[in-house]
Amino acid sequence: EIVLTQSPATLSLSPGERATLSCRASQSISSYLAWYQQKPGQPPRLLIYDASNRATGIPARFSGSGSGTDFTLTISSLESEDFAVYYCQHRANWPLTFGGGTKVEIK
Amino acid sequence: QVQLQESGPGLVKPSQTLSLTCSVSGDSISSGSHYWSWLRQPAGQGLEWIGRIHTSGSTTYNPSLKSRVTISGDTSKNQFSLKVTSVTAADTAVYYCARDLRPGNNWFDPWGQGTLVTVSS
Repeated sequence: EIVLTQSPATLSLSPGERATLSCRASQSISSYLAWYQQKPGQPPRLLIYDASNRATGIPARFSGSGSGTDFTLTISSLESEDFAVYYCQHRANWPLTFGGGTKVEIK
Repeated sequence: QVQLQESGPGLVKPSQTLSLTCSVSGDSISSGSHYWSWLRQPAGQGLEWIGRIHTSGSTTYNPSLKSRVTISGDTSKNQFSLKVTSVTAADTAVYYCARDLRPGNNWFDPWGQGTLVTVSS
């Protein structure tokens, strides 16, 4: 089973600042990584798939990069609605697994 | 617009079987080659993929749950279901159903709103 490790666990930032979230895979997963955003009481929302492709309707301030074992989600300038928990997920093999999440909170 | 809605008992006794249904609108579970999945999330914790069913009826399960899980489809009602046997407190979670973004690509979009299942006597 591929383990996805997200860091940091919590990121305290102010609106307008840049957020950089990391996801590291326990083995190479090529570009088979997605990022989701989850707000309290809501299901996850797909942001990025195949490491760098934005899902429909996702603002351009969200971008993804990386391949192999190291991946990054960048939010270029935080808006108030971006404070949430972010998860990465791979689809390289079975079972599909998720990272433990990074909480982006208001500083 | 594809929409999914989970339903089922919110409370299940230990050792019994958890049964949930996902009702789908805006798409057909019997056509289009999509996969339809179940996932869960214990309170305050991360996400776990449980398994999926294809429009053909074929299934794939997470090995960690495979011995206790069955996913099936009811094409006449455009629903698919989850059964988890011999539940314990560790099965307490919000359960989500979801479709893959494109057939077979294993990214989840859209999702249902989720339903909380508590395992307790």
